[in-house]
Amino acid sequence: EAGVTQFPSHSVIEKGQTVTLRCDPISGHDNLYWYRRVMGKEIKFLLHFVKESKQDESGMPNNRFLAERTGGTYSTLKVQPAELEDSGVYFCASSRRRGREAFFGQGTRLTVV
Amino acid sequence: GDSVTQMEGPVTLSEEAFLTINCTYTATGYPSLFWYVQYPGEGLQLLLKATKADDKGSNKGFEATYRKETTSFHLEKGSVQVSDSAVYFCALSAVNQAGTALIFGKGTTLSVSS
Repeated sequence: EAGVTQFPSHSVIEKGQTVTLRCDPISGHDNLYWYRRVMGKEIKFLLHFVKESKQDESGMPNNRFLAERTGGTYSTLKVQPAELEDSGVYFCASSRRRGREAFFGQGTRLTVV
Repeated sequence: GDSVTQMEGPVTLSEEAFLTINCTYTATGYPSLFWYVQYPGEGLQLLLKATKADDKGSNKGFEATYRKETTSFHLEKGSVQVSDSAVYFCALSAVNQAGTALIFGKGTTLSVSS
C-alpha cells in the first residue's frame, strides 16, 4: 500500500509569488489533514477534509491560503501571494476514519525569500 | 485551549543510555495521547498511543503512560540506539472536537552517538 505522498519536497519562492502544494492520500482514506510546522515551533493544524468537503478549516491562517480536494482524492494547498512568515514544513496526513490513526507524508519544505 | 508542552531539546545521549522526554498537556474532556517520531528525511510516524488514563503505550522499546493526575505522557526508553536519533513529537487528540485534529508539542530532537 502506497503511503501519503506530497509534492514537491522542497520549494523556494519569492515573496509575492504563488505556490501550490499537493498531497496524495492513501487510497480509500476519506479523511485528509493539512498541518504546518514553522521553524522551531509546534506542528499546527490547518484544515481537515472528509472526502471533498471541508470539515474543519479553523486553523487556516488567512485568506491567502486556499485548499481544495476535488473529487475527494488528492488535495492541493495554494498560497497566494506568499509572505515570508509562510515559510515552514507543510505536512499532509490521511486516515480511513475520523479518530483512527493518521498517516503522514514526508512534508513539503517551503521557503519564501 | 488545548495544548501540549514537551521538554526543549536537543537531547544528546550515548548509545545504551536511558531516555526520558517529558510531555504534559492541557485539555478539556478526555483526550487520546500520542508520540510521533520523524526520522531524518522521512515523514511523521506514529510511535505509540494511549487512549485513556493509566493506559501504557509501547513500541520499539519505547513506553509512555497516560497519567491523568499529573496530565503527563512522558516518553521513556531503557537503552537508546543510534538509530533512535530523530525528532519526537508529543500530541493529543481531543475526543470532543468535531475535527479530531491533532495538537502537537514543539518537538524534541534526540541525537544518539555510538
